[in-house]
Amino acid sequence: QSVLTQPPSVSEAPRQRVTISCSGSNSNIGNNAVNWYQQLPGKAPKLLIYYDDLLPSGVSDRFSGSKSGTSASLAISGLQSEDEADYYCAAWDDSLNGHWVFGGGTKLTVL
Amino acid sequence: QVQLQESGPGLVKPSETLSLTCTVSGGSISSHYWSWIRQPAGKGLEWIGRIYVSGNTNYNPSLKSRVTMSRDTSRNQFYLKMSSVTAADTAVYYCARDLYIVTAASFYIDQWGQGTLVTVSS
Repeated sequence: QSVLTQPPSVSEAPRQRVTISCSGSNSNIGNNAVNWYQQLPGKAPKLLIYYDDLLPSGVSDRFSGSKSGTSASLAISGLQSEDEADYYCAAWDDSLNGHWVFGGGTKLTVL
Repeated sequence: QVQLQESGPGLVKPSETLSLTCTVSGGSISSHYWSWIRQPAGKGLEWIGRIYVSGNTNYNPSLKSRVTMSRDTSRNQFYLKMSSVTAADTAVYYCARDLYIVTAASFYIDQWGQGTLVTVSS
């Protein structure tokens, strides 16, 4: 049972837009920034969004992040087949001396 | 561009101690926090803990009793030890870098190693 809650799977057609939600609590998302990661099959996770809505250098601007209260979202526009991957949200949790918490991951299928 | 490489035994016997090394190149471990994260096959990511150059650590509360992290700045390496392992500790183990945004007083994990599979089995 992950501390952050994500839908197990989402699917959408190419060139469409999809959003992935991430729900937490006051001790994590409500008080700290959210980061998003993309994990392609057999690969290490890759940073996609940091500090809620910032894109690292080299990441396509088809990806965007947002946060409101204790929930965050990742949006991917202009879906491409290579976007098919697992996506994880993460946030620092202030409880118990502080620790990172992750969402359970969302499998994106591009139809 | 900093690079991280995990190394260590791929097979550990139940009840024994798992030991992994992360070697950092292209940057010094004398800054930033450095994390360990694991992922059982077909499952999600689980953060294990992190260490700073000062030796300050944060651990996952659910693993804290079995985990010890350390570092060697002369070798530019940091280490993970997990005791009393069981089959449930079988996973790909990643080392990663925690970056700090000074202006926002916020961290994010930005660079990951490729991961190393550790299997717990007799």
